[in-house]
Order: sequence, then C-alpha cells, then structure tokens
Amino acid sequence: GQQLNQSPQSMFIQEGEDVSMNCTSSSIFNTWLWYKQDPGEGPVLLIALYKAGELTSNGRLTAQFGITRKDSFLNISASIPSDVGIYFCAGRDNNAGNMLTFGGGTRLMVKP
Amino acid sequence: GAVVSQHPSWVICKSGTSVKIECRSLDFQATTMFWYRQFPKQSLMLMATSNEGSKATYEQGVEKDKFLINHASLTLSTLTVTSAHPEDSSFYICSASRWGEAFFGQGTRLTVV
Repeated sequence: GQQLNQSPQSMFIQEGEDVSMNCTSSSIFNTWLWYKQDPGEGPVLLIALYKAGELTSNGRLTAQFGITRKDSFLNISASIPSDVGIYFCAGRDNNAGNMLTFGGGTRLMVKP
Repeated sequence: GAVVSQHPSWVICKSGTSVKIECRSLDFQATTMFWYRQFPKQSLMLMATSNEGSKATYEQGVEKDKFLINHASLTLSTLTVTSAHPEDSSFYICSASRWGEAFFGQGTRLTVV
C-alpha cells in the first residue's frame, strides 16, 4: 500500500545527542502513531496522537501531530544506546477502518 | 496497552510444506487483525486484513491461495503459508487494534530451505 515519506532513513549519532525524525503525507490522517522496532521483534507503540496540533511526551520522547494533519515528528532527547532500533511512523484514516499506512522507517544508531 | 501474541517466533521448513502462524489478542477482542510481511531493512508491507467470521481482504499482488487466512474467533487469526518456497522466507508480523491503536505480535521469522 501507500507509504508515508519518513526522513531521515538513517541516523548515526553520539550518545547524549537529541534526535528528530518526521513523516509527511499527501493525505490527511486522523491518527498518527510512532513505533520502535528492535531486530527480530514486532513494532512497539511509543506514542499515539489523535488531534491536529497535539504535542505528547513519553519520557524522553516527544511527538507532535501537525496542524495540517499531513505530518508528524518524533524527537528523542538525550539519546542512550538502547534507543538503537528502527522507528516507524504510521497514519490512520478513519475512513479506512483500522488500517495503518506506514513510513519507510528511520534506522537509529547510537554511539556510546 | 494491549497484548498480541504471535507463535511461533521462528520456523524452518522444507520447500513444499505448509506452515501455520498464529496471532492471538490476549486481553481484548479483535474483529479485525492485519498480517504484514517485512523484508530486511524495509518497512512493513500489508498483506491482508483478517476479518472475524468472514473472508480476508488481500492486498494487490498477494496470492490468497498461497497465504490462507482464517479468523475463526475474536481472539485468533491464523496465516498459513501453503507449499512454501524459499522466496517465501521472510519476517511475518500480525497486528490487532484496540482503542484506535495498533498492537503488534512479536513476529515470525520463516525460513524455507
């Protein structure tokens, strides 16, 4: 199916640095979700956003639902080695039931 | 959150045999579950939508006779890869939604030799 445009595709950062990644779409979504996937595991939900403009935090993670409903970003502050993994954004359109459209993923590598 | 359990986590099978993968929602009922396939270093690719009590809806290009889906109860969906071939080797993941949020199983690594 259709993919969201997620960037960057990969990042290699130093421990302690902040990280930012974003997703954009040509379509409007009603819900934005951010997941983290560790190697050989299924994605784990990090943050869910339901309203345009909503800014939500989960520990060192902060995500926002864009005003236009066509974009979202995820920030990770003070990165640590266990932040390593692949981060996916996903959008849900209420008109499409519970089906999600996924971004291509951002591979994060953290150097201790 | 909600728990989705997928079994087995990995399986190796001979070419030509069939493999069944189970996806269970442990603490909630799911009328709809989704099956994805993921190639190395790529995003999740939706294969089909599994609907409790009715036929699954397959994405374009996914062979329904090859990937049989059964959603016989509100907590269990199964994906059977029939007559598996090496090109079917992949990581298969299921998900179920609760309160508008999708929760994923642990994934199944299928290797066909």
